[in-house]
Amino acid sequence: AQKITQTQPGMFVQEKEAVTLDCTYDTSDPSYGLFWYKQPSSGEMIFLIYQGSYDQQNATEGRYSLNFQKARKSANLVISASQLGDSAMYFCAMREGGDFGNEKLTFGTGTRLTIIP
Amino acid sequence: DTGVSQDPRHKITKRGQNVTFRCDPISEHNRLYWYRQTLGQGPEFLTYFQNEAQLEKSRLLSDRFSAERPKGSFSTLEIQRTEQGDSAMYLCASSLGTYKAFFGQGTRLTVV
Repeated sequence: AQKITQTQPGMFVQEKEAVTLDCTYDTSDPSYGLFWYKQPSSGEMIFLIYQGSYDQQNATEGRYSLNFQKARKSANLVISASQLGDSAMYFCAMREGGDFGNEKLTFGTGTRLTIIP
Repeated sequence: DTGVSQDPRHKITKRGQNVTFRCDPISEHNRLYWYRQTLGQGPEFLTYFQNEAQLEKSRLLSDRFSAERPKGSFSTLEIQRTEQGDSAMYLCASSLGTYKAFFGQGTRLTVV
């Protein structure tokens, strides 16, 4: 079974609109972390936002927020007021086991976001 | 530039040759990771170092692959007897804590 599922291979959004990128995850571990990374055409993975499984509030970082619905195992990324520079691949990832768990990130297959002027 | 640095950015090699990639992490980061990313996929974990100790290895890391991190600073990833299936982007990342890993721009390997 896939641990991270991103069902939107590609999305087109008008500049200045908000966009939601979907991510569902699968784990039986009560302690885990969820991440979103942006990968522009240059190839570098850029950290955007992190949500811990025990965090009470949804994470926010500037224009990025994470809509964390634990019971549904959903961790959608919301980008407000999209900009042309937001065009890139976006990956959702999970790390299981808390601070003493395994160190690897498991990534989804990504969503290619294109912002239309 | 204080980010994660990878060298070379691109490598083309003939099948059967050995290749070595280098990663220089952010200087104070004690954790270093290698990932492999093939076209259309997300990165897949290969291995992890804490300081100079290699603590975790994926089954993807066959015996043709070896990684080192001498003195807990830079790391090298060597692939021996390259195969066409090794063609991919090899990403290095480093972190200080248990989250927020910073990635380099990767080394794109093409095996012909």
